[in-house]
Order: sequence, then structure tokens, then C-alpha cells
Amino acid sequence: AQSVTQPDIHITVSEGASLELRCNYSYGATPYLFWYVQSPGQGLQLLLKYFSGDTLVQGIKGFEAEFKRSQSSFNLRKPSVHWSDAAEYFCAVDLWGNTPLVFGKGTRLSVIA
Amino acid sequence: ETGVTQTPRHLVMGMTNKKSLKCEQHLGHNAMYWYKQSAKKPLELMFVYSLEERVENNSVPSRFSPECPNSSHLFLHLHTLQPEDSALYLCASSHQTSGGRVGNEQFFGPGTRLTVL
Repeated sequence: AQSVTQPDIHITVSEGASLELRCNYSYGATPYLFWYVQSPGQGLQLLLKYFSGDTLVQGIKGFEAEFKRSQSSFNLRKPSVHWSDAAEYFCAVDLWGNTPLVFGKGTRLSVIA
Repeated sequence: ETGVTQTPRHLVMGMTNKKSLKCEQHLGHNAMYWYKQSAKKPLELMFVYSLEERVENNSVPSRFSPECPNSSHLFLHLHTLQPEDSALYLCASSHQTSGGRVGNEQFFGPGTRLTVL
């Protein structure tokens, strides 16, 4: 079945440390790819998206993500995490570019001092 | 108001009540969505409206009834809910085209936290 997998349910990092959140998809074609962030009690905010072209995309709040076709992955990275980055992160795909998004289960990020 | 707004932000209701959730988008989009977000479960797409017509209904129980009177407004009418329907209900909107790939970036509202007693 087509799906989006975020293998890490919960990650804890120290403030200032680097971060990588994993996302894999199981579609035959290359879908449109998104990362969203959700702070407690809030809706989802788009961090970045990949449609085509350069496989390294830059987003808001210092985040970036790299699309790797060979690995069917779209991992989210940040070189130095801030305490305000603590939130839930969702990877999502749009298979045809005009269809409802399919979301992963999310990864909860905790940041410690 | 900008973006996508939802009211109320919090709602507590009994199983015999009838209530409605409201969503409004100020982005000029032509597609709107209802999602259900429960603890420990992925986001569940409930309804999709494109150009004010329902295009997808993912086998949602009939106790949830959507209404989209125009491209800016979306409602979710609730009746005879069950405690397991307690969740965060998120509304989103996007711009849909009739063809071609443009990428379906969705903008979300803050959600309505629903508790069914």
C-alpha cells in the first residue's frame, strides 16, 4: 500500500545540536513532498516543500530537507536546534500534484537544555 | 483576518447535542478540507471540497455532515457523536487547478478541540 513513514515517534535533542527527522514514502513515482510543523494546540504550518529541481530545499526557521530518489526519502534537517523548535513534525506527500495530502504519523521533537 | 480561521477553538458537547464547526479561508483558494487528528493516530482526511463540490468522503460516519456554501466557508455539522469522536478537527484550504501538476500546498487553521462527553 502507498504510504508515508516517519520511523521515529519521538526524538530528544539538546539545544544547539543538529537534527535530522526521517521520512520515507512508498510510491512508484516521485510525489510532491512537504514538511509541516505543529506546535501544541495549533494547526499545521508549512516548513518547506519539494516539487522538482534542486533536491536540497530550504525552508523557514532554518530548516532544510533533501530529496533522495534512490532511497525514497525526504529527510528534514536543522544544523542547530533551538528550544522553540520543540513541536510535532509531519511529512506529507501529494502523489499527483493535485490530490489530497497523505501524512505520516508525525515525529515529536523535544529539546533539552 | 488572514489565513484560515476556525471557530470555536474548543467545544464540549454531549452525545445527544447538535453543534457545528466553522472554517473560513481568506486566501482565495478553491478547495477546502476537514481532517481529524486523534492522539496516537495519523491525520485522517474526512472530507474534500473542490469548487464547492464534495469530491472525497473517506467513509466518514453519517453523524458528521459537511457543508460548503461557497469557496470561503466550510462547516462540519455534528450530531449524536460518540466519545471516540473527541479529537482536534483541522480545516485546510488550497488552490486546485483543473489539470496539470502544481503541487497541493495546504494551509491549515488552528483547529477545534472537540470533547464528547
